[in-house]
Amino acid sequence: AQSVTQPDIHITVSEGASLELRCNYSYGATPYLFWYVQSPGQGLQLLLKYFSGDTLVQGIKGFEAEFKRSQSSFNLRKPSVHWSDAAEYFCAVGAGDSSYKLIFGSGTRLLVRP
Amino acid sequence: DAGVIQSPRHEVTEMGQEVTLRCKPISGHNSLFWYRQTMMRGLELLIYFNNNVPIDDSGMPEDRFSAKMPNASFSTLKIQPSEPRDSAVYFCASKEAGGWKAFFGQGTRLTVV
Repeated sequence: AQSVTQPDIHITVSEGASLELRCNYSYGATPYLFWYVQSPGQGLQLLLKYFSGDTLVQGIKGFEAEFKRSQSSFNLRKPSVHWSDAAEYFCAVGAGDSSYKLIFGSGTRLLVRP
Repeated sequence: DAGVIQSPRHEVTEMGQEVTLRCKPISGHNSLFWYRQTMMRGLELLIYFNNNVPIDDSGMPEDRFSAKMPNASFSTLKIQPSEPRDSAVYFCASKEAGGWKAFFGQGTRLTVV
């Protein structure tokens, strides 16, 4: 069965520091992978996605993620965190025909220290 | 486009009452999803419509939950009767045919007391 694991429930970083949020997936075929961000009281916004090709993908707001098939991972990174990045981040894998079904991880809440 | 529009944003109701959540997808999108978000279970897909037809309702928790999509611009999720364990944030999302990007609404926070 498909699943997504985000091992870190909370992460705290200082503003300006680098960030890496971990995501591991379990999926039989080539996965469609996504990272979404949810700000308080808001819906989810897509940061980036991976379908195929270059394993390092760039997203919005300066985020990037690297797909590593050997590790079944799709970690999200940002070189310098801004206070406005404080939010909850969800990794998801697309499953089902046409990958319509998004299976989400449990989320990682990012706190940013001034 | 105004994005996916959900109403109401907040709903407080008493146990046993009927609750109806509404969603207007982005114009031109033919896929619509209802998700539920709770602390315990995270984000779960409840039901998926394609061209107004329910394709996958395996995530609907029980018969108290029902969803309809009478036309391409409107969907409802109904809970009857509601229970305290239904308290959650319910999200609607839509995407266009062949597309991969799902656009989420701001959600409806439901509290059943």
